[in-house]
Amino acid sequence: GDSVTQMEGPVTLSEEAFLTINCTYTATGYPSLFWYVQYPGEGLQLLLKATKADDKGSNKGFEATYRKETTSFHLEKGSVQVSDSAVYFCALGTSTGNQFYFGTGTSLTVIP
Amino acid sequence: DAGITQSPRHKVTETGTPVTLRCHQTENHRYMYWYRQDPGHGLRLIHYSYGVKDTDKGEVSDGYSVSRSKTEDFLLTLESATSSQTSVYFCAIRDRVDQNTEAFFGQGTRLTVV
Repeated sequence: GDSVTQMEGPVTLSEEAFLTINCTYTATGYPSLFWYVQYPGEGLQLLLKATKADDKGSNKGFEATYRKETTSFHLEKGSVQVSDSAVYFCALGTSTGNQFYFGTGTSLTVIP
Repeated sequence: DAGITQSPRHKVTETGTPVTLRCHQTENHRYMYWYRQDPGHGLRLIHYSYGVKDTDKGEVSDGYSVSRSKTEDFLLTLESATSSQTSVYFCAIRDRVDQNTEAFFGQGTRLTVV
């Protein structure tokens, strides 16, 4: 079945460090891929998305490239800030069903 | 921000009591979802709705029921709350269910069953 596997956390980084959060997926058909962010005490917000292979989604300095050959959608940021501390979820939307499939979430803490 | 309001935001209830959580949207989106969020599990789908009076089960539907009598409201009911239902509950909406369309989330309801 369709699923998303996300890198285990928590992740702790110093300010200005490089961030990578790994996400791989299993899906039939032609899924779209999403990264959501959840700040403390809030709901999930869409961070970026990519709807076809080789697309790059980007927002707020974060990027992720849809790699069909490696079934991956890794989230990256070149220089994290304290305000990036949050939980990040990788998600998959399929063409065949009503559902979104979420990874387990990766907690990121950025320390000054 | 998408117009999604969840109520209540926090609730403490006793084991065995019924509980109803409400999700209200002002976006006129057809699809509505209830998820629960638990450590180590991410978000798991409880139930979803694809129109007024049209609902279906998700992966963790046991112990929950839903109703959608109006486009804007989607209710989640715990018929007899158990401690295993202590969780944070999120409502989400989508305009369409093609794979490109993102979901928008409410702020969540923190439910504690004691």
